[in-house]
Amino acid sequence: KAGVTQTPRYLIKTRGQQVTLSCSPISGHRSVSWYQQTPGQGLQFLFEYFSETQRNKGNFPGRFSGRQFSNSRSEMNVSTLELGDSALYLCASSSRPRETQYFGPGTRLLVL
Amino acid sequence: ILNVEQSPQSLHVQEGDSTNFTCSFPSSNFYALHWYRWETAKSPEALFVMTLNGDEKKKGRISATLNTKEGYSYLYIKGSQPEDSATYLCALNRDDKIIFGKGTRLHILP
Repeated sequence: KAGVTQTPRYLIKTRGQQVTLSCSPISGHRSVSWYQQTPGQGLQFLFEYFSETQRNKGNFPGRFSGRQFSNSRSEMNVSTLELGDSALYLCASSSRPRETQYFGPGTRLLVL
Repeated sequence: ILNVEQSPQSLHVQEGDSTNFTCSFPSSNFYALHWYRWETAKSPEALFVMTLNGDEKKKGRISATLNTKEGYSYLYIKGSQPEDSATYLCALNRDDKIIFGKGTRLHILP
C-alpha cells in the first residue's frame, strides 16, 4: 500500500506570495491532518479534514486555509507569506479521526 | 492551554545501555496518547497508541506505559542500538485535537 505523499517536497517563495501544498493520503484513509514544524517547536496542529469537512483548526491566522476533495486528497494554502512561515509542513492521514496517523515526507517551505 | 511536556529534551546513551524518557500531560479526560519515532530525513513513524490507565505496550526492545491518573507516560528502550537514534514524540489526543510534545532527541553513542 502506498504511503502518504506530499508535493512539492521543497519550495522557495518570497514574502507576500501565496503557496499551495498537496497531500495524498493512504488509500482508504479519509482523515487528513496538517502540521507545521519550525526549529525549536514541536509539531503545531494546523487543521484536520474528514470527508471533505474541516473538523478542527489550530491557532493559526486566517492566512492558512485548507480543503479536502472527494478522493480524500487535501491541499493547504498559505496566502501573503511571511518570513515566519518558513517551516516543514507535514501531512498525516488516518482511516478515521482519532486513529493512528501516518505521516508523509513533508514539504519544506522557505520564505525569503 | 493544553501542554504536553517531554523530558529530557536530549539524551546521549551508550550503545547497549537501556534508557527511558517521559511524556507529561494534564491528567484529565483524553482519548489516547500516541508515541512516534522520527528519524532524521524520514517521516514520523507511529510506535504505540495507548488509551487505558495502566496500559503497557511493547514492540521489540521498546515498550511504553501510561498513567492517566497522574498524567504521564514512559517510553523504555532496552539495549539501545544505533538505529534507535531518533526524536521520540508523544502526542495527546483530546477534545478532538492532537497536541504534540517537542520530543526527546536520543543519540546512541557507539
